[in-house]
Amino acid sequence: IAGITQAPTSQILAAGRRMTLRCTQDMRHNAMYWYRQDLGLGLRLIHYSNTAGTTGKGEVPDGYSVSRANTDDFPLTLASAVPSQTSVYFCASSAVAGGNNEQFFGPGTRLTVL
Amino acid sequence: KQEVTQIPAALSVPEGENLVLNCSFTDSAIYNLQWFRQDPGKGLTSLLLIQSSQREQTSGRLNASLDKSSGRSTLYIAASQPGDSATYLCAVATGGGNKLTFGTGTQLKVEL
Repeated sequence: IAGITQAPTSQILAAGRRMTLRCTQDMRHNAMYWYRQDLGLGLRLIHYSNTAGTTGKGEVPDGYSVSRANTDDFPLTLASAVPSQTSVYFCASSAVAGGNNEQFFGPGTRLTVL
Repeated sequence: KQEVTQIPAALSVPEGENLVLNCSFTDSAIYNLQWFRQDPGKGLTSLLLIQSSQREQTSGRLNASLDKSSGRSTLYIAASQPGDSATYLCAVATGGGNKLTFGTGTQLKVEL
């Protein structure tokens, strides 16, 4: 059982390029999340999805888009990457949205935008 | 806006010592509080979740307490081991329970 997988593990990207970070979970969790982690700022929520077919904006959504076509996958797209999007990106999931459900995290994608 | 603070930012202790990590938050209207562990270059591992109606949770050598009214939580680690060395993050859940606000973590080093 893999839990949550993310791809790629790391990526160096030229500014202005489009990039999609992939996230897949095999726990049949309804809710999924994308966070970015920056030194001194901690983890901040980018977008979330309470269930397949729905998405919502988190604390720092600008420059990012997500889709949730099915339960297992929650890709994060940077339409035109900028250097300020250099960060470590974590995908997470929980059994259901809200309430007292633990969030489980993937291993992360380290993205560098030059 | 919810703000989460963790003190100290870094801590170094000898093996075997009991220690306490602190977490404070500004808005007491939370659903729960989670403690995570993060090893260098890795993802987050959930350690404990305390519901807003609970006062504490225990798992092995770990005990987490929650005082919602004062906006504080502590993570107690008993008989620390070198394998406990990691960054410990606390996060509070708001917005229906699925929006986590994280602290910036306490980096713990347990020395032989």
